[in-house]
Amino acid sequence: SQTIHQWPATLVQPVGSPLSLECTVEGTSNPNLYWYRQAAGRGLQLLFYSVGIGQISSEVPQNLSASRPQDRQFILSSKKLLLSDSGFYLCAWSNRGVNGYTFGSGTRLTVV
Amino acid sequence: KQEVTQIPAALSVPEGENLVLNCSFTDSAIYNLQWFRQDPGKGLTSLLLIQSSQREQTSGRLNASLDKSSGRSTLYIAASQPGDSATYLCAVSGRSGGGADGLTFGKGTHLIIQP
Repeated sequence: SQTIHQWPATLVQPVGSPLSLECTVEGTSNPNLYWYRQAAGRGLQLLFYSVGIGQISSEVPQNLSASRPQDRQFILSSKKLLLSDSGFYLCAWSNRGVNGYTFGSGTRLTVV
Repeated sequence: KQEVTQIPAALSVPEGENLVLNCSFTDSAIYNLQWFRQDPGKGLTSLLLIQSSQREQTSGRLNASLDKSSGRSTLYIAASQPGDSATYLCAVSGRSGGGADGLTFGKGTHLIIQP
């Protein structure tokens, strides 16, 4: 069966520090991968998606970037965090959307 | 641009009641529609997936319907229990790219079932 892992679960970082969140999927190959953010009082916003290694599409211009160095690994990064980057970050995967989308357990990021 | 609206934003009912959560979307050209549950501070748990060619899906006490032409879906919860308390999210995937370009979410319905 397929599983999706996200880490860390919580993170407190000072303004201006770098960020790296990692997501990995097991039990499938060539998945579509996604990063979403859920800010307090707001809905889920798609940040990036990837249909293959090295292929990244950005939905919203922002202080963040994403990379896919391996087939089942998706990384969300920032060189310098802003207060507005605080939120709940969720990774997800799908098989071209055919069987729906499966989400990880999320990372709570607080920038102080 | 696809927009998803969920009504009501919050709902509090006594245990045992049947209830309906509503979802509407502006672009009927969807690939599929998915209902999720989110507990506080947790990730999303998929409840039901409805393909664009389907009218409804059922799982236990849950039933979701889809009327693509009118841009509406409902989630019906029968015999509600306190454990059903959570935020329920409706999301649709776009037809272009075969749903590969991700989900558009509503803001959710925060449901409280009173014991």
